[in-house]
Amino acid sequence: SQQGEEDPQALSIQEGENATMNCSYKTSINNLQWYRQNSGRGLVHLILIRSNEREKHSGRLRVTLDTSKKSSSLLITASRAADTASYFCATYGGGSSNTGKLIFGQGTTLQVKP
Amino acid sequence: SAVISQKPSRDICQRGTSLTIQCQVDSQVTMMFWYRQQPGQSLTLIATANQGSEATYESGFVIDKFPISRPNLTFSTLTVSNMSPEDSSIYLCSARPGKYNEQFFGPGTRLTVL
Repeated sequence: SQQGEEDPQALSIQEGENATMNCSYKTSINNLQWYRQNSGRGLVHLILIRSNEREKHSGRLRVTLDTSKKSSSLLITASRAADTASYFCATYGGGSSNTGKLIFGQGTTLQVKP
Repeated sequence: SAVISQKPSRDICQRGTSLTIQCQVDSQVTMMFWYRQQPGQSLTLIATANQGSEATYESGFVIDKFPISRPNLTFSTLTVSNMSPEDSSIYLCSARPGKYNEQFFGPGTRLTVL
């Protein structure tokens, strides 16, 4: 089963607004990574947050991690039309059977209207 | 970071034929992987490509259908054998330097089987 589940599945906002996407996972993790995929192309690595970190920033991106709730959020501030893409969270399968394999959530499709 | 290239970027193939996808990383990496992304879906791990030994396949994927080679620390190939329309997907090569580092992806190979 998928390690990460994302919410919402689809999000449509106006340019300039903020977009928040959430990811929940099931087992303990070493870190959590967020990726962007434009229109069926390859994945672009956005940010990695480690299990001992609570918040991380990169430009207009802010990622939070709550290990007690097994959840993470990705906030994109002042969105632009170019942010239109699918966003995925991914974690390494955790627990006693940690194999180091990166497992993806279902993704959130973000549309930013100009 | 690692820069990953894939060839071909896309192909249209006839049922029953095979296609080999090449993946080249710009630096030596410990781990390489192959993923499949079916239309409108998230990424599913096919196998871990092991340098100098047989690949490790995930449940639902077998070597006869998806033979993988990894002759060195920067190169791998995935063959999709005896193709059917159900194999129409994006195939993505992925790599990371160590067990829990950032994982990077190639641009993908978009395969259409007629």
